[in-house]
Amino acid sequence: EDKVVQSPLSLVVHEGDTVTLNCSYEVTNFRSLLWYKQEKKAPTFLFMLTSSGIEKKSGRLSSILDKKELFSILNITATQTGDSAIYLCAVVRGTDKLIFGTGTRLQVFP
Amino acid sequence: SAVISQKPSRDICQRGTSLTIQCQVDSQVTMMFWYRQQPGQSLTLIATANQGSEATYESGFVIDKFPISRPNLTFSTLTVSNMSPEDSSIYLCSVGRLAGTSTDTQYFGPGTRLTVL
Repeated sequence: EDKVVQSPLSLVVHEGDTVTLNCSYEVTNFRSLLWYKQEKKAPTFLFMLTSSGIEKKSGRLSSILDKKELFSILNITATQTGDSAIYLCAVVRGTDKLIFGTGTRLQVFP
Repeated sequence: SAVISQKPSRDICQRGTSLTIQCQVDSQVTMMFWYRQQPGQSLTLIATANQGSEATYESGFVIDKFPISRPNLTFSTLTVSNMSPEDSSIYLCSVGRLAGTSTDTQYFGPGTRLTVL
């Protein structure tokens, strides 16, 4: 059975800290891995990763994929209170089907 | 990315009634999907809305409970039928295969928060 597991489930940090969020997967017909940020209802797209070892960066956020070990990490440096959200990892399988992980709830306190 | 709207944004409904949620996109898209997010849970795919044909449902979801329409490439509806409190969730539509974007990226609408009493 396909599964996507994220860790930790919850994380509480202070502003300025650096955090690393993990996503491991066991999915048949893997095509790509997506990261989303969910603050209220709608997940907003962060990154799409298809190749191992190529880091994607956007400001203080970066992500990388390891297709041999079947995991991805999302790094956030110099965290701010606005980074507080649920971060979702999803794997694209076969015909566009997304399989979501459980999510990591990040809380950043001033 | 596309601009996606959903109506209603939230609703409180009585047990046994039905609610239809609309999803509108500002450009034509090949793929449209409907997801459910139960309280404290992650997103689960309900079905793929196929233009001009019946939706493709995931295991555990049936057409009688969640009928879906997709009359064209920019619009879809999801109906939650004969509701019970267990249907209280956020319902989200998403779109994929936008022109000029990566094939696998899906973009989400703002969601509909449904509470069933």
